[in-house]
Amino acid sequence: AQKVTQAQTEISVVEKEDVTLDCVYETRDTTYYLFWYKQPPSGELVFLIRRNSFDEQNEISGRYSWNFQKSTSSFNFTITASQVVDSAVYFCALSEFSGGTSYGKLTFGQGTILTVHP
Amino acid sequence: DGGITQSPKYLFRKEGQNVTLSCEQNLNHDAMYWYRQDPGQGLRLIYYSQIVNDFQKGDIAEGYSVSREKKESFPLTVTSAQKNPTAFYLCASSMSAYINQPQHFGDGTRLSIL
Repeated sequence: AQKVTQAQTEISVVEKEDVTLDCVYETRDTTYYLFWYKQPPSGELVFLIRRNSFDEQNEISGRYSWNFQKSTSSFNFTITASQVVDSAVYFCALSEFSGGTSYGKLTFGQGTILTVHP
Repeated sequence: DGGITQSPKYLFRKEGQNVTLSCEQNLNHDAMYWYRQDPGQGLRLIYYSQIVNDFQKGDIAEGYSVSREKKESFPLTVTSAQKNPTAFYLCASSMSAYINQPQHFGDGTRLSIL
């Protein structure tokens, strides 16, 4: 079973539209962390946000906002007033303890390709 | 500037040949990682190292080998045993391997078969 599911493979919007990228995760742990990364065409992944399992407060950073809901195991990402520069692949990832150690194993979703047209 | 440098950007492998991908970081991070990315898929963990002189297999370690002799360096060798090596390889590092540490990535090496 997929631990992190990003059901939207590709999304295409026109500039200035709002867009929400969905992320659903699966874990039995009570302590875990969720991350979002952006992968622009250049290839490197850029860290956007981290959220721990005990903090369900939504977060806003400029045009970006994140909605974490433990009840539905979701951690969705919204871009308001999208811009062409937002075009990238976006990955959601889950970090859990691995093998009884303090090592955090990061599991990525399959990614959502976002294309913003001018 | 601090960061992660991967080289080369593009690499071609002949049948039966081993190739080594370089990853260097100047962030003073203890933990380093290698991931493989295939088209339309997320990243899959090949190997990770929590500290110098130590490394562990990830989910898809077969056909790959690593070393961690220096804190700054974590080279990945793709051996001839890896039958499907064509992929995009990403190296990452984090302050530690603890669960809450974000990983920082290099800009990748694209490996193809000749």
